[in-house]
Amino acid sequence: GQNIDQPTEMTATEGAIVQINCTYQTSGFNGLFWYQQHAGEAPTFLSYNVLDGLEEKGRFSSFLSRSKGYSYLLLKELQMKDSASYLCAVRDSNYQLIWGAGTKLIIKP
Amino acid sequence: DAMVIQNPRYQVTQFGKPVTLSCSQTLNHNVMYWYQQKSSQAPKLLFHYYDKDFNNEADTPDNFQSRRPNTSFCFLDIRSPGLGDAAMYLCATSTGQEIQPQHFGDGTRLSIL
Repeated sequence: GQNIDQPTEMTATEGAIVQINCTYQTSGFNGLFWYQQHAGEAPTFLSYNVLDGLEEKGRFSSFLSRSKGYSYLLLKELQMKDSASYLCAVRDSNYQLIWGAGTKLIIKP
Repeated sequence: DAMVIQNPRYQVTQFGKPVTLSCSQTLNHNVMYWYQQKSSQAPKLLFHYYDKDFNNEADTPDNFQSRRPNTSFCFLDIRSPGLGDAAMYLCATSTGQEIQPQHFGDGTRLSIL
C-alpha cells in the first residue's frame, strides 16, 4: 500500500527553527509537495521537490532524498501566524497525490 | 481575488436530504478535484475531472456524484447524506502539468442534522 508518515503534532517557540519530517512509500514518485493548512481553511501550496536536495523559499525550505523516501520542511524565524498544519503529499506513478495526515505545529511565545 | 470559489462556506442539511456543493474557477485549469477532509485527517480524493473525462476513486461511495457542465464549474452531489458524511469538502484545480500544484478553494463545511 501507499503510505505517508508525518508526526502528528510539534511545538516550537516563536523566533526559533523547526523541522517537520515526512517519509513516504508510494507506487512511483513524480514529485513531493508541502502545503500549509490553517484550522478550518483550505491547504495552500508551499513548496515542490522532484530532485534531491534543498529548495529554499524565504523562511521556508524543503529537502528531498528520493533514495531514502524522505523529505523535510524547515521553517525559520517562526512567527505566531505559522501555527497551522503542514501536509506532505507525494505524486505517484499515476500522477495522483497521496496525502499525509498533516503535522499540527503549535508556536508558543 | 479568489481563483477557486466554493459556495457555500457552511452548509447544513438533514439526514437523507440531498445536497449540492458548488465550485467555480477563474484559472481555466483542465483538472478539477473534489476532496473530503475530516478533522486531523488527510484529504481524501473522491473524484476528479480532466476536462470532461470523469475519474472516480474506487472507494468513493455511490452516494457521491459529480457534474462538470463546463470548464469553470464543478458540482458535488450527495444523494442521501449520512452522519458520516459530515466533513470539509475541498475543491481544487490544476493545469494537469507535472510540476504544477493544486489550487484549493476555501472549502465547504458540511454538517448533517
